[in-house]
Amino acid sequence: GDSVTQMEGPVTLSEEAFLTINCTYTATGYPSLFWYVQYPGEGLQLLLKATKADDKGSNKGFEATYRKETTSFHLEKGSVQVSDSAVYFCALMNNNAGNMLTFGGGTRLMVKP
Amino acid sequence: GAVVSQHPSWVICKSGTSVKIECRSLDFQATTMFWYRQFPKQSLMLMATSNEGSKATYEQGVEKDKFLINHASLTLSTLTVTSAHPEDSSFYICSAGSSGTISTDTQYFGPGTRLTVL
Repeated sequence: GDSVTQMEGPVTLSEEAFLTINCTYTATGYPSLFWYVQYPGEGLQLLLKATKADDKGSNKGFEATYRKETTSFHLEKGSVQVSDSAVYFCALMNNNAGNMLTFGGGTRLMVKP
Repeated sequence: GAVVSQHPSWVICKSGTSVKIECRSLDFQATTMFWYRQFPKQSLMLMATSNEGSKATYEQGVEKDKFLINHASLTLSTLTVTSAHPEDSSFYICSAGSSGTISTDTQYFGPGTRLTVL
């Protein structure tokens, strides 16, 4: 079945540091890939997505590129802020599976001032 | 656009009572809604998928008689936790997908409902 693996946290960074959160996937066909962010006490918000190979999703300074050859969708940001502290979930949606989302385990990011 | 609301945001109840959680798509028609459960510091676990006007499809290990799901309209789905017990305490999150004008390959999430059963 489909699966998503992302690096375990917590990831602790100082403000303005470079962020990478790794995400790899296993899926049949050509899934769409997503990053969701969950701030404390809140539900998930879509951060960015990519629907086909080599697409780059970007939003709020975050970006991720759909790499089919390495089955990866790593999340990056050049300069993190304290307000970026949250849990980040990588996910895939396989249209062969009724548009269900398969989530990674989540990575907690803590940014210190 | 694509806003999903949940009500209530937090509920505390006594063991043995039933609790209903509402999930509404505010500005689009949700042909499919998903219900998730999230334990502290863990990922989301899909409980069930519901399509408007039909019975929900439950994931393996989820008791359909305990977690009643109704998707009576294109903007409303409800999850009822029947005879709740402390082990049902969790964060319940719904999401909605659409076949309408918004992206069909994206789920939009509600803010979640925290259930505490005493």
